[in-house]
Amino acid sequence: KAGVTQTPRYLIKTRGQQVTLSCSPISGHRSVSWYQQTPGQGLQFLFEYFSETQRNKGNFPGRFSGRQFSNSRSEMNVSTLELGDSALYLCASSLAPDSSFYEQYFGPGTRLTVT
Amino acid sequence: AQSVTQLGSHVSVSEGALVLLRCNYSSSVPPYLFWYVQYPNQGLQLLLKYTTGATLVKGINGFEAEFKKSETSFHLTKPSAHMSDAAEYFCAVTGGGGATNKLIFGTGTLLAVQP
Repeated sequence: KAGVTQTPRYLIKTRGQQVTLSCSPISGHRSVSWYQQTPGQGLQFLFEYFSETQRNKGNFPGRFSGRQFSNSRSEMNVSTLELGDSALYLCASSLAPDSSFYEQYFGPGTRLTVT
Repeated sequence: AQSVTQLGSHVSVSEGALVLLRCNYSSSVPPYLFWYVQYPNQGLQLLLKYTTGATLVKGINGFEAEFKKSETSFHLTKPSAHMSDAAEYFCAVTGGGGATNKLIFGTGTLLAVQP
C-alpha cells in the first residue's frame, strides 16, 4: 500500500510569489491534516480536512489556505511568500478525523525555501 | 488550551543504555497523548499513544510510555538503546474536545546514541 505522497519534495521561491503544495493521502483515507515545521517554531498545525470540509484551522495568517478534493487529495496554498514561510510542510492522512482511534500517517514533507 | 513540554532538546546515551525522554502535558480535559519519531529527511512515525485504559503503553521498536495523571507526565522509555534509535522524538496532545486529528506538538528531543 502506497504511503502519503507529497509533491514537490523541494521548492525554491522568491518573496512575494505564491506556491501550491500537494498531498495525496493513503488510498481510502478521507482525513488530511497539514503542519508547518521550522527550527524556531517547531511543528505547528495548519489545517484539517475531512470530506472536502475544513474542520480546523491553525493560527496562521490568511495567506495560508487549503482545500480538499472529492478524491481526498489536498492542496495548500501560500500567497505573497515571506522569508519566514521557509519550512518543511508535512501532510498527514487518516481514515477519519479522530486521532484517538485512527493513526495519522505522515508524508515525507515538502521543503520550501523562500529567498 | 492544551500543551506539552519536552524537557531536554538534546539527549545523548550510550548504546545499550536506558533511554528516557521526558514529556509533561497541560490539559483542561482528559488528554490523548502521543509519541512520534522523525528520522532525517522523513515525516513523522507514530511510536505509541495513550487514550484511555491502561496507563502503561507499549509501542513499536521496544519503546513504552507511562501516563501519570498525578504528575501530568507521559515519559518515553526504552530499556536498551540501539544505534538505529538516533532520531528526533516528539510528544503530542490532541488539540481539544471532540474528534479531531489536530495535534499540539512539543519542541522535540534529539536523541543521539553513542557506540
